[in-house]
Amino acid sequence: DTAVSQTPKYLVTQMGNDKSIKCEQNLGHDTMYWYKQDSKKFLKIMFSYNNKELIINETVPNRFSPKSPDKAHLNLHINSLELGDSAVYFCASSSPITGSDGYTFGSGTRLTVV
Amino acid sequence: GEDVEQSLFLSVREGDSSVINCTYTDSSSTYLYWYKQEPGAGLQLLTYIFSNMDMKQDQRLTVLLNKKDKHLSLRIADTQTGDSAIYFCAPKGGGSQGNLIFGKGTKLSVKP
Repeated sequence: DTAVSQTPKYLVTQMGNDKSIKCEQNLGHDTMYWYKQDSKKFLKIMFSYNNKELIINETVPNRFSPKSPDKAHLNLHINSLELGDSAVYFCASSSPITGSDGYTFGSGTRLTVV
Repeated sequence: GEDVEQSLFLSVREGDSSVINCTYTDSSSTYLYWYKQEPGAGLQLLTYIFSNMDMKQDQRLTVLLNKKDKHLSLRIADTQTGDSAIYFCAPKGGGSQGNLIFGKGTKLSVKP
């Protein structure tokens, strides 16, 4: 059973398009996250979300929006894609109460904007 | 904001020990994690240490924490070619909303 699953694994799309990446976790965790990993492997947090609060990294363009239909899902919607959005996007989840568990990551979605 | 620094590259020979170092700025970090990323894969939690500990050993892995100097290290004993990967230091920020802040990652290359 995959704990944190993302779809699609690969996404190639043209500039200007709108796309979504889906994430689901079956760990019963309260909080979910989206991270962006650039070509130099640098990881930056984009959003953290639980059913009470969305925290947005202020550097994230408003073209990016998380959507959570329920506690187990946090999808990432991107409008008007740009070349610079090409990266690997990782979803993660955690249970803040038991911090020692760390974050559980999905396997990533490689987005290529052409 | 929180800053986490790691050297970008480390090369060792198979069988040697590897030591990956990390410095961070958030003194309120509660848990400090090490993640491993193999090529084309996601991030795998390797180990962690709680901020009131100064050492933790887990099989071939030893984590050392110097809280005063805000320095964290990961030692891999008897390094194998399968250990070749990028290793990320990730302190958990303080407070109930503290997030993991990742260093830039250290690429470990193990030569036979």
